[in-house]
Amino acid sequence: DVKVTQSSRYLVKRTGEKVFLECVQDMDHENMFWYRQDPGLGLRLIYFSYDVKMKEKGDIPEGYSVSREKKERFSLILESASTNQTSMYLCASRLGPAPNEKLFFGSGTQLSVL
Amino acid sequence: DAKTTQPNSMESNEEEPVHLPCNHSTISGTDYIHWYRQLPSQGPEYVIHGLTSNVNNRMASLAIAEDRKSSTLILHRATLRDAAVYYCIRSGNTPLVFGKGTRLSVIA
Repeated sequence: DVKVTQSSRYLVKRTGEKVFLECVQDMDHENMFWYRQDPGLGLRLIYFSYDVKMKEKGDIPEGYSVSREKKERFSLILESASTNQTSMYLCASRLGPAPNEKLFFGSGTQLSVL
Repeated sequence: DAKTTQPNSMESNEEEPVHLPCNHSTISGTDYIHWYRQLPSQGPEYVIHGLTSNVNNRMASLAIAEDRKSSTLILHRATLRDAAVYYCIRSGNTPLVFGKGTRLSVIA
């Protein structure tokens, strides 16, 4: 089975800190995604990457950046954390962009910015 | 824009079948219909997907209307472990867009 591993389950940071959320997948997937999930708002796409060193903005990229130096790793970066970035962050991957490809999710990182 | 419409919540008795509806009236001919579910405190997990024909797997069945404007996820015998938020998604050549899904409650 595909495994998508997020480095932390819970994270507490201070306002203004630089925050790195790491995600690693073990199945040679081309595509990787970062979503955030807030009560009442569902999952919203922050950034995605269709291949190494490629990145595309999702629906809510403001305040975030990403890095994909290796195929298996996709990092989400909060340059200067703010309280409105307190949320559950979910990483996902899939083999490729074909519409019948399944998406595999990590367990999520609950980030609190104080 | 999730591009699908689902009821906010549904309730089922344990051991009973559950039919979760989804409307995707603007679906294009090459879009697949995917279903995912999210158990409490976990990331979403894949349930099933299909294009035109009905599909079955060990978790569920997917019934797709002939005009493809709607579909139904069928859990044949709901258990307490099926209590989750179920997402119906149109999958084209762009990243998957998740709506708010249907929160399924299962009553013992």
